[in-house]
Amino acid sequence: GEDVEQSLFLSVREGDSSVINCTYTDSSSTYLYWYKQEPGAGLQLLTYIFSNMDMKQDQRLTVLLNKKDKHLSLRIADTQTGDSAIYFCAETTSGGYNKLIFGAGTRLAVHP
Amino acid sequence: DTEVTQTPKHLVMGMTNKKSLKCEQHMGHRAMYWYKQKAKKPPELMFVYSYEKLSINESVPSRFSPECPNSSLLNLHLHALQPEDSALYLCASSQAGQAIYEQYFGPGTRLTVT
Repeated sequence: GEDVEQSLFLSVREGDSSVINCTYTDSSSTYLYWYKQEPGAGLQLLTYIFSNMDMKQDQRLTVLLNKKDKHLSLRIADTQTGDSAIYFCAETTSGGYNKLIFGAGTRLAVHP
Repeated sequence: DTEVTQTPKHLVMGMTNKKSLKCEQHMGHRAMYWYKQKAKKPPELMFVYSYEKLSINESVPSRFSPECPNSSLLNLHLHALQPEDSALYLCASSQAGQAIYEQYFGPGTRLTVT
């Protein structure tokens, strides 16, 4: 079945790196996504990784994928107060219609 | 332009009212989606339209009625809602087809049913 799990809360100091973790169960997952949601706002697509890759870097963001353990992580370098938000991991599988399965979301709190 | 717009931003309605939520995108996407998000929960898929045809209905009650009048617009008609339907309603769009395409979300409509 499809299930995506994340830890619910992470607190980091400004300037440190943040690592948000996610596990998924569907071995046929094709794409894995990270979305950011600020309070009262919609979801912003941050980055995504195809399941045949093990790493993707985009400016301050690094996504690591361990397909054997079905583990995905998002590292944010030099975390800023503007990074405070909820981060959702999501997966889709092949077969059409692009159905996103979201994790519960990790609330990232950045403090001075 | 990767913008999906939604109106209204906020909506308060009584249980006997009829209202509509609107979503628009000009990215040439042919797949559009409605999601419902309760507080402190992830979004849950409600409907998917592909090439203006309803492709997925995730067993949503009939008091929610989607409509896709053209490739840029998506509506969600609301009638006889319940207080538990209060939530953030998110619209998204993507390219359509059998391949996987990233979805772009609008800011949402926060609905309160009294």
